[in-house]
Amino acid sequence: GQQLNQSPQSMFIQEGEDVSMNCTSSSIFNTWLWYKQEPGEGPVLLIALYKAGELTSNGRLTAQFGITRKDSFLNISASIPSDVGIYFCAGQLAGGGNKLTFGTGTQLKVEL
Amino acid sequence: DARVTQTPRHKVTEMGQEVTMRCQPILGHNTVFWYRQTMMQGLELLAYFRNRAPLDDSGMPKDRFSAEMPDATLATLKIQPSEPRDSAVYFCASGYGGNYGYTFGSGTRLTVV
Repeated sequence: GQQLNQSPQSMFIQEGEDVSMNCTSSSIFNTWLWYKQEPGEGPVLLIALYKAGELTSNGRLTAQFGITRKDSFLNISASIPSDVGIYFCAGQLAGGGNKLTFGTGTQLKVEL
Repeated sequence: DARVTQTPRHKVTEMGQEVTMRCQPILGHNTVFWYRQTMMQGLELLAYFRNRAPLDDSGMPKDRFSAEMPDATLATLKIQPSEPRDSAVYFCASGYGGNYGYTFGSGTRLTVV
C-alpha cells in the first residue's frame, strides 16, 4: 500500500527547544493533516493543510504543505512537557477519495 | 465537545470467538472510518462509509471481518472467528466528506488469546 515516510522516528529534546519533523511520499497528495496521539487515546487533529505551499499555525505548532505536494513539515516551537506524544502525518491522495494514509509516527519525548 | 464514542474500550477474548466493536459517530458526520493500529503496521485503514454506504473495504480481511452501518448513529466492526493476530487497537473516526480532517474515538483494545 501507499507509504508515507515520517522522520525522525523518535526525538528526545530539552524543554524550550524547537522541534521539526517531516513526512515524504512518492505520490502527490491534495491534503495533508497532522495528528497527535497520547497513550490510550485516538489521534487528535492538530493542523490541516489543503494547498501546496500553505503554511498554517496552531499556537506553537506550524505546518507546511510542500510545494511538490509530496511532503509536509511540522514545527513545534519552545517545546513543553505536555508536547510528549506520537505525532502522525496523514495525507489524502489526489484522486483517492477521502481515505487517509498515515505516516509511521514520530515519538516526542521532552526532558525537563 | 462532540466526540466519537467507541465501545467496548477493552476486550479480551479467546481465539475463535466472535467480536463486535461499536462506534457512535459525531452527529451530522456523514463519513465513518475504521482503522487498526499495531506496533508493526501502524495505522491501517480497514473500511470506510459515506452516508452509511460502504465505499472501500479493501483493507479488511473479508473472510472474517465485516463492517456495517445499520443507521447513521451506529457503525459496527465484527470479527468472526477471531485470531490472535487480530490483537490490536481498533479506531473509528468520523467527519464530513471533503477535506476537513476526521475525529477519532478512543479506540477498542482487542486482545485475542
